[in-house]
Amino acid sequence: GENVEQHPSTLSVQEGDSAVIKCTYSDSASNYFPWYKQELGKGPQLIIDIRSNVGEKKDQRIAVTLNKTAKHFSLHITETQPEDSAVYFCAASKGNTNAGKSTFGDGTTLTVKP
Amino acid sequence: GAVVSQHPSRVICKSGTSVKIECRSLDFQATTMFWYRQFPKQSLMLMATSNEGSKATYEQGVEKDKFLINHASLTLSTLTVTSAHPEDSSFYICSVSPGLEFSYEQYFGPGTRLTVT
Repeated sequence: GENVEQHPSTLSVQEGDSAVIKCTYSDSASNYFPWYKQELGKGPQLIIDIRSNVGEKKDQRIAVTLNKTAKHFSLHITETQPEDSAVYFCAASKGNTNAGKSTFGDGTTLTVKP
Repeated sequence: GAVVSQHPSRVICKSGTSVKIECRSLDFQATTMFWYRQFPKQSLMLMATSNEGSKATYEQGVEKDKFLINHASLTLSTLTVTSAHPEDSSFYICSVSPGLEFSYEQYFGPGTRLTVT
């Protein structure tokens, strides 16, 4: 089955700096890679996603890059703010009708210091 | 994205009792719903996949007789934890997926914190 590894497990940055979280996956058939932000005591919130036919996607301060050959994808957050502090999860799935059957990384706890 | 609600948000029950958790898709008909369990400081673990009108598909290691899932309509799925024990204490989260051909996204509910005493 799919195996997703996520690094680092914790990340601390100063407000205004950039944060990068990296994930690798094992199943070359995976074609959908979402990123979720989870605040304490809440459910995960989809913040950005990328499909295998695209190499990069950006939404304001958040961007995701995908390298299919190397089977890794990364989340980039620029101009970080204290409210970006949360746990971030990457996931991989074989999209389409099986979208929810995702394999999740172990999560990265991001702390943005004011 | 889709709006998903869960009820209750937190519940405390005694060992040996059963607890039902509801998951509702508020703004679209969810063909597929998923149930996850998350232990403190850990990742999400998929428990089962349910499709409206059919039996749920459970992941390996998840007891289907202990975690009863019912997806009776396109907007409601329920998870019943039967004969709960302290080790069942966890954060239970549902998610919904449109399940359409080109729809890959899934949207999560706010979660239910179950504590078994």
